[in-house]
Amino acid sequence: DTAVSQTPKYLVTQMGNDKSIKCEQNLGHDTMYWYKQDSKKFLKIMFSYNNKELIINETVPNRFSPKSPDKAHLNLHINSLELGDSAVYFCASSQDPDGMGGYTFGSGTRLTVV
Amino acid sequence: GESVGLHLPTLSVQEGDNSIINCAYSNSASDYFIWYKQESGKGPQFIIDIRSNMDKRQGQRVTVLLNKTVKHLSLQIAATQPGDSAVYFCAENPWHNNDMRFGAGTRLTVKP
Repeated sequence: DTAVSQTPKYLVTQMGNDKSIKCEQNLGHDTMYWYKQDSKKFLKIMFSYNNKELIINETVPNRFSPKSPDKAHLNLHINSLELGDSAVYFCASSQDPDGMGGYTFGSGTRLTVV
Repeated sequence: GESVGLHLPTLSVQEGDNSIINCAYSNSASDYFIWYKQESGKGPQFIIDIRSNMDKRQGQRVTVLLNKTVKHLSLQIAATQPGDSAVYFCAENPWHNNDMRFGAGTRLTVKP
């Protein structure tokens, strides 16, 4: 039973399109995250969210927006996709709002923009 | 074998040898650190953590060492196995600040 699940696993789309990546966690965690991993494996936080507060990394373009219908889901919407958005996107969750005990990551969504 | 650096260095070791993966962190306010393992096609997986009030913490076949003076963290893997082959990341997190930052990672390859 997957703890943090993301769909789709692979996403190929054209520049200019709008796409969404879904994330669900069944751990009962209150805090969820989105990370972007580039081709050099560098992981960079994009958003952290609990049902009280959204924290946005200021370097993330406003074309990216998280949507949380409930505390078990944090979806990522991307508008007007660009070539540079190609990367692997990871959803994660944590039990402790301060991140103690680490994060549980999903298996990633590989986004390719052509 | 031992690795240093922040641009996805590669460490190659023989099966059965001990591995040491190093990480330099940047924020002197960080007081919580985690090592993650990422296998191909998967997300990072928690290995072991350490608080800044400790210098050393041991798990099963893994040991994390923290040197706050020089802002250095290391992960030691004893009797490295082929299943240990992966990219290893250190992550730092300032206390009461949910802002976990990852290092660049080290690719460990274990030769049978």
